[in-house]
Amino acid sequence: LAKTTQPISMDSYEGQEVNITCSHNNIATNDYITWYQQFPSQGPRFIIQGYKTKVTNEVASLFIPADRKSSTLSLPRVSLSDTAVYYCLVVPIYNQGGKLIFGQGTELSVKP
Amino acid sequence: GAVVSQHPSWVICKSGTSVKIECRSLDFQATTMFWYRQFPKQSLMLMATSNEGSKATYEQGVEKDKFLINHASLTLSTLTVTSAHPEDSSFYICSASPIGSATNEKLFFGSGTQLSVL
Repeated sequence: LAKTTQPISMDSYEGQEVNITCSHNNIATNDYITWYQQFPSQGPRFIIQGYKTKVTNEVASLFIPADRKSSTLSLPRVSLSDTAVYYCLVVPIYNQGGKLIFGQGTELSVKP
Repeated sequence: GAVVSQHPSWVICKSGTSVKIECRSLDFQATTMFWYRQFPKQSLMLMATSNEGSKATYEQGVEKDKFLINHASLTLSTLTVTSAHPEDSSFYICSASPIGSATNEKLFFGSGTQLSVL
């Protein structure tokens, strides 16, 4: 499974846009990029998933360049409730809905 | 959306006792469920894959006799920590997706169980 690298922590203020970049240099052709959010003392929650270019949903946007060696999760106008750990995962298409291997994650702290 | 329920949400036990944690899929069936462990300030670590009607598959380094997994129905998997010791104190999380689901968007996690062994 492709290894991912992302910043250990980030700070932001309410109302700002937050971009968290993840590196996955060894991503394979059949890999999808998936992001999860985890609040303290809770299980992770799916945020967004993509294969290439841009994906947007009601929570976030995911930008993936043509070489797919990195991806950026964009959270628009964050609030205090967005304080959480964000995990970037690279998951093969044949393993969708299956076991996941989590990396370190990025601890996002949103301040008033 | 689909919900995965874990019970209990927290448990305190004495060293040497066994603790059972339940993971239920409330509105879907799952032939496979997954168990993770998470220590403070660390990431989730996959422990094992729970297979309905057959033996669980354990990740390397996870003692199968220590962490007993039973998946007796399509909506329930249990993890029993046997002869618990303080080093087993951790946050245990399960996940599951509906049968036939082929997307992580339909992979749901439980709310976790905090185990404290005294």
